[in-house]
Parts: sequence; structure tokens; C-alpha cells
Amino acid sequence: DTGVSQDPRHKITKRGQNVTFRCDPISEHNRLYWYRQTLGQGPEFLTYFQNEAQLEKSRLLSDRFSAERPKGSFSTLEIQRTEQGDSAMYLCASSKGGDNTEAFFGQGTRLTVV
Amino acid sequence: LAKTTQPISMDSYEGQEVNITCSHNNIATNDYITWYQQFPSQGPRFIIQGYKTKVTNEVASLFIPADRKSSTLSLPRVSLSDTAVYYCLVGSSGDSSYKLIFGSGTRLLVRP
Repeated sequence: DTGVSQDPRHKITKRGQNVTFRCDPISEHNRLYWYRQTLGQGPEFLTYFQNEAQLEKSRLLSDRFSAERPKGSFSTLEIQRTEQGDSAMYLCASSKGGDNTEAFFGQGTRLTVV
Repeated sequence: LAKTTQPISMDSYEGQEVNITCSHNNIATNDYITWYQQFPSQGPRFIIQGYKTKVTNEVASLFIPADRKSSTLSLPRVSLSDTAVYYCLVGSSGDSSYKLIFGSGTRLLVRP
């Protein structure tokens, strides 16, 4: 399978715990995006990378959220001191960049904070 | 980034053609128009992209008038499996600030 892979698919955690999600983009895709989606809403932009550089982070994102993309390959999204409001689907996408705006999404990680 | 406006929901019946229109009045010269489809519990899936006039692929057609201030996604002969949320996005990935910003989308319900 050469699509975007996310791990884990599901995560249940207690409030206050830290969680980390992983995204493996399609090989040679320069851009990598993280989104959060709650029921009935469109995906909400969190942050994105051009290779290993994090170009932008949403102002809606608290400092409890951090993302990395070492060596421009896979990426991790960490949420510290989780809150119940963090419960959502976390989506990762990758694209080649250039004029082609086609992005490929993973299946997402569903986080439930109890 | 150009803001997009599309209907919240649409209903159709199997076998009909469905047209979903998206308004993007402040589209920039370098912006492309891209549509995504999303099923429940799945990530969005690219459907089609265009810059001007008409683009057609095996799934849909995209009609873009000369002023490019709107676009229409056309789904021919829809089936029950086309029930999904459809998102219209505008931007240029050649622009380093391009972020794939999604709105609330259009919820299409196809009835038997």
C-alpha cells in the first residue's frame, strides 16, 4: 500500500495524558498537512510542512499541540495534557506541491479523551 | 486565500445528474479550483481540479465560467454510493502559503 498511512487508527486516553500520532506520507511528497475534524464539520487546518520545515501553524492551535517532520519523511503530532475537547478525528495528508493541488489523505486517527 | 461558499446540503435520486455550485468571488489569478469528496469515517478524496472552462474525468466534470468567480461540480447519473460531503477548495499549491482550507462542504444525499 503506497497511500498515506496513519497510526494508530484509534486512541482512547484519559484526560491529562499525552498522546502522539504518526503519519507516513506518500514517498517523495514534499508537503504534509495535519487536520482535525469533528462530527459534522469540515477538516480544520492545524499545520503543514514543506519537506522538514513547518511553514505554518494554525492560530487556533494551543501550545499543547506540536508537530514534527524530521528529515522530511514521516511526521508526528503530539498533544500534551489532553482535554475532552481534543476528541476528534486527526487527519494527515500529503501532496507533491507545485501546480497540482491533489492531496492524498490517510484514514485518520480517532482520538477519544475520557 | 479565496473564500468559498457552497450549499449546505442537496438531495437527489439515483440516476439523476447532480450539480453543486461553489462561489469564490475573490479567486486569484494563480488559483486552481479543487473538489474533494468525503465519506463518513474516511479522509477526503480528490475528485477533480480545474483552472478554467471545463474539465472532465471518469468521475465528474467541472465547469468554470470565464470570470472564474464560481464553479460547478457535475456528477452524472449518481448512485447511492455518491452520498457524501463535497468540498470546494481554491488556491495555488505553487504558493508556499497554500494550506488546503476546507469549508463545511455540501452534504449530498442520494435517495433510491
